[in-house]
Amino acid sequence: GAVVSQHPSRVICKSGTSVKIECRSLDFQATTMFWYRQFPKQSLMLMATSNEGSKATYEQGVEKDKFLINHASLTLSTLTVTSAHPEDSSFYICSAGLLAGEETQYFGPGTRLLVL
Amino acid sequence: GQQVMQIPQYQHVQEGEDFTTYCNSSTTLSNIQWYKQRPGGHPVFLIQLVKSGEVKKQKRLTFQFGEAKKNSSLHITATQTTDVGTYFCAGRSGGYQKVTFGTGTKLQVIP
Repeated sequence: GAVVSQHPSRVICKSGTSVKIECRSLDFQATTMFWYRQFPKQSLMLMATSNEGSKATYEQGVEKDKFLINHASLTLSTLTVTSAHPEDSSFYICSAGLLAGEETQYFGPGTRLLVL
Repeated sequence: GQQVMQIPQYQHVQEGEDFTTYCNSSTTLSNIQWYKQRPGGHPVFLIQLVKSGEVKKQKRLTFQFGEAKKNSSLHITATQTTDVGTYFCAGRSGGYQKVTFGTGTKLQVIP
């Protein structure tokens, strides 16, 4: 099946620093990737839809200047958490569809961010 | 905005017993997907339902999409310890087909 990777898997940073998370589709091209965050024991919340070659579409309540998304190629999307604060600590997960318009999403393994 | 609720939130069953989780959307969905997430893991796609009243089976799992396309259910027959995890439904709707995840049902199977 389709494989999506994320890097890093775990990151600890100081408050005020920026953290970049990469999401890669390893064996397929993804026109669209999705970024979610998941707090402990809670559901996944869609943050934004990342579109290759265009600006990301952010969900209501998600600060676009704080969570910078760059979909540089058909196999790579990055999420940068700028000036991270402890409340940004969460599990960040990306997903990608196999084909344009494909409904099935394949999820990356997630990145656990801890901001001290 | 769209809300997708699941009940129950938690379920403990004895191994061999059946289990059902229900998913209810505040809006009509174009399709619904089900995912399983093991503790510490990421969601894994199980199935997608598209048609009104659709029923699909995967071994011991039975998925159903309501006639009004606003609710869905997942039924597991004769649970096993490998069924442990949190089951999420995810409904797709809206202009750009936004996916909204349900609140999840955490299943614990007692051997």
